[in-house]
Amino acid sequence: NAGVTQTPKFQVLKTGQSMTLQCAQDMNHNSMYWYRQDPGMGLRLIYYSASEGTTDKGEVPNGYNVSRLNKREFSLRLESAAPSQTSVYFCASSDGANYGYTFGSGTRLTVV
Amino acid sequence: SQELEQSPQSLIVQEGKNLTINCTSSKTLYGLYWYKQKYGEGLIFLMMLQKGGEEKSHEKITAKLDEKKQQSSLHITASQPSHAGIYLCGADLPNDYKLSFGAGTTVTVRA
Repeated sequence: NAGVTQTPKFQVLKTGQSMTLQCAQDMNHNSMYWYRQDPGMGLRLIYYSASEGTTDKGEVPNGYNVSRLNKREFSLRLESAAPSQTSVYFCASSDGANYGYTFGSGTRLTVV
Repeated sequence: SQELEQSPQSLIVQEGKNLTINCTSSKTLYGLYWYKQKYGEGLIFLMMLQKGGEEKSHEKITAKLDEKKQQSSLHITASQPSHAGIYLCGADLPNDYKLSFGAGTTVTVRA
């Protein structure tokens, strides 16, 4: 089925470890996004890429980096994981404003 | 996002009863989206509203956009266990082409 694919689904890291969350979409969407979801806080935007070759910070970018590898793929990297980064991470894509987003199934990350 | 307030934060409803969730914006709404999330899963798109006074329905779920009040409501008629989950509103806000989201409303349906 067409959509947004995220890997891995679950991950446990030790403080200070690094990892990359992968995201790929096959809908030929221009824009891609990374959100984190925490209890009582809804979805907060980490980084986004309005189009291939561009990336911009969102609401909570500290501690993260991103790469828009090509039109399909948008990865999120944690260079030195901290317990405060324990969260559920969602990748999304869209074809521009007013078209809504398609979300991946999420990555549940725990940093101990 | 503090720009979108959802109420209530959570609710428990008896199966067969109706329920309403509200989403209020501190800024003008250009587009309002409703999503549903089941625990451990991604967000599923429900519907999108763009025009003041617009109302859309899908099965037993109806959403309205009151542009003057900068508010949207989601109404579920005769709730079923399948309606349980977290409902989130998202909005296109002025000068921002990224969606901002409310904190979500957790719905529990009791048999």
